[in-house]
Amino acid sequence: DVHVVESGGGLVQPGGSLRLSCAASGFSVTNNYMTWVRQAPGKGLEWVSVLYIGSRTFYAESVKGRFTVSRDRSTNTLYLEMKSLRVEDTAVYYCVRVPGTSDEFWGQGIQVTVSS
Amino acid sequence: SSELTQDPAMSVALGQTVRITCQGDSLRSHFASWYQLKPGQAPILVIYSETNRASGIPARFSGSSSGSTASLTITGAQAEDEADYFCNSRDTTGNHWVFGGGTKLTVL
Repeated sequence: DVHVVESGGGLVQPGGSLRLSCAASGFSVTNNYMTWVRQAPGKGLEWVSVLYIGSRTFYAESVKGRFTVSRDRSTNTLYLEMKSLRVEDTAVYYCVRVPGTSDEFWGQGIQVTVSS
Repeated sequence: SSELTQDPAMSVALGQTVRITCQGDSLRSHFASWYQLKPGQAPILVIYSETNRASGIPARFSGSSSGSTASLTITGAQAEDEADYFCNSRDTTGNHWVFGGGTKLTVL
């Protein structure tokens, strides 16, 4: 069965850092393109980043230069390193396998709160 | 262009048909997906690759596209269809993804 579990969220002060993890089972994060999507309180969905099979990465303008997506083949885990966090980064973050396809799969989401 | 535009809110009478649209230049060359979002729940994929229903989605949901507009149609709306609906596609570069602003659907 396909399964992903996000972790690493929590409360952090503005300017701080967090690293989100998305541990996958039932498929390889190396052989699937993976994205991060977030939903701020009371807001819609916002695409954050993508990591393609060939290791190309792309980011939304709102996080470019502050967030870094990566993966670890040995642990089959996708990561989102978040630095210089802002209040407006407060959201539930989801890792998503191959969005826009019949094999798409979402994690349960992890809360990130940036507040002083 | 990296924008997808949706009407913020729509309503439909129980059992009637509603079409939710999503406009954007990137839709001329990239397929749209549609998501249903209810409070406290993870998004649910409804339509992928413009016209394909995701697994477990009732047949009353259908997707279509023409030019720069993608549409999600609910034929015979049910009370449980009341939710926010978001379209999603790649941008014109094909490298980034973008969501529409969402349409809040009320079933009367």
